[in-house]
Amino acid sequence: KAGVTQTPRYLIKTRGQQVTLSCSPISGHRSVSWYQQTPGQGLQFLFEYFSETQRNKGNFPGRFSGRQFSNSRSEMNVSTLELGDSALYLCASSLDGQRNQPQHFGDGTRLSIL
Amino acid sequence: QKEVEQDPGPLSVPEGAIVSLNCTYSNSAFQYFMWYRQYSRKGPELLMYTYSSGNKEDGRFTAQVDKSSKYISLFIRDSQPSDSATYLCAMWSSNDYKLSFGAGTTVTVRA
Repeated sequence: KAGVTQTPRYLIKTRGQQVTLSCSPISGHRSVSWYQQTPGQGLQFLFEYFSETQRNKGNFPGRFSGRQFSNSRSEMNVSTLELGDSALYLCASSLDGQRNQPQHFGDGTRLSIL
Repeated sequence: QKEVEQDPGPLSVPEGAIVSLNCTYSNSAFQYFMWYRQYSRKGPELLMYTYSSGNKEDGRFTAQVDKSSKYISLFIRDSQPSDSATYLCAMWSSNDYKLSFGAGTTVTVRA
């Protein structure tokens, strides 16, 4: 069974640009969550989608947005990039996001802002 | 104060030693508890998942939960160099659809 697939694996952007990251969940999983991982702040929750609806959102500015498609694939967009957005962005999927079902992570997209 | 506090490490142990990793939490709504292992340049990999207080064993790994003390632990027996990684504790609350993570403990097992 294929795991969570994130593309691209690496990205280099400059300040002010925007970026779109993609996540394909495990087959049959309908919940997709996004996290930002940095050395200083650790893993921080961005948002969670289920059936194309955002159910929960973390404490990030509106420059961070996401969406989910009918096939459960998800994209995350960051606009007007700042140096502080440099991080590993991780996607995780679970069957339906309920608390008795564990989340499985992809290997992330490493975003570097110059 | 963070919701989840994890012993910062790093830890360096000889091969065959027992590794003990700990997290405390303040949110009483946390009900499900996980340990993830993360190798360099990879995503977190689920190791253990538990709900109730007590011990859960899986091979060389034992997860311990004490809800009354708001304390969880992971023990790795007969540690191997391949266990060298960062270990993250994570918790679900009963109120929302997100995981809250500890900061991670980096473990090095010396051959």
